Amino acid sequence: AQKVTQAQTEISVVEKEDVTLDCVYETRDTTYYLFWYKQPPSGELVFLIRRNSFDEQNEISGRYSWNFQKSTSSFNFTITASQVVDSAVYFCALRGSSNTGKLIFGQGTTLQVKP
Amino acid sequence: DAMVIQNPRYQVTQFGKPVTLSCSQTLNHNVMYWYQQKSSQAPKLLFHYYDKDFNNEADTPDNFQSRRPNTSFCFLDIRSPGLGDAAMYLCATSSLRGDRDTDTQYFGPGTRLTVL
Repeated sequence: AQKVTQAQTEISVVEKEDVTLDCVYETRDTTYYLFWYKQPPSGELVFLIRRNSFDEQNEISGRYSWNFQKSTSSFNFTITASQVVDSAVYFCALRGSSNTGKLIFGQGTTLQVKP
Repeated sequence: DAMVIQNPRYQVTQFGKPVTLSCSQTLNHNVMYWYQQKSSQAPKLLFHYYDKDFNNEADTPDNFQSRRPNTSFCFLDIRSPGLGDAAMYLCATSSLRGDRDTDTQYFGPGTRLTVL
């Protein structure tokens, strides 16, 4: 069975603080893909990053960075110097090696950044 | 810009009155998905089309149907909406043509359905 766990339901920070959103996954597939999506209040799911299971290189994109560790089955997301516009629900998702492309979503973490 | 478009953004229907939600895409992706998302929950996959092949999730109620007349368009039909069907409906597309690097799902803005 495949599963994604985002243990943090809600996080509240003050603007300019750094914040890390945790994601732990379970899969028996040797090849899999991990994703992060942002869902602002408008409702649209915005793609942030895709990571292959065979590529453990961490990635930085502006204020966003991702730490992928297969040894702990984690794919954590850090926002540096958070801004009010970062307030949203963030979903971590897993796609196994099936050819349907089906995503298994975590329950999401609601991030509130206060001015 | 290439994108996934959903119409309408907000839909109000009456209990039991059939409703159709539409999705179109300019990405030329071969796979289209429909998700249902209720408040404070993760999106739940209802079904998807892989090219012309329809794939229903095992727990999707029979009340939900879908049509894909061509590559660009996909419709979600709710035959007899109940109060429990009020939700955000998200359409997504991806390209699964054997290239691993193009399987990311891109989502439309969603249609928020209200059932009175």
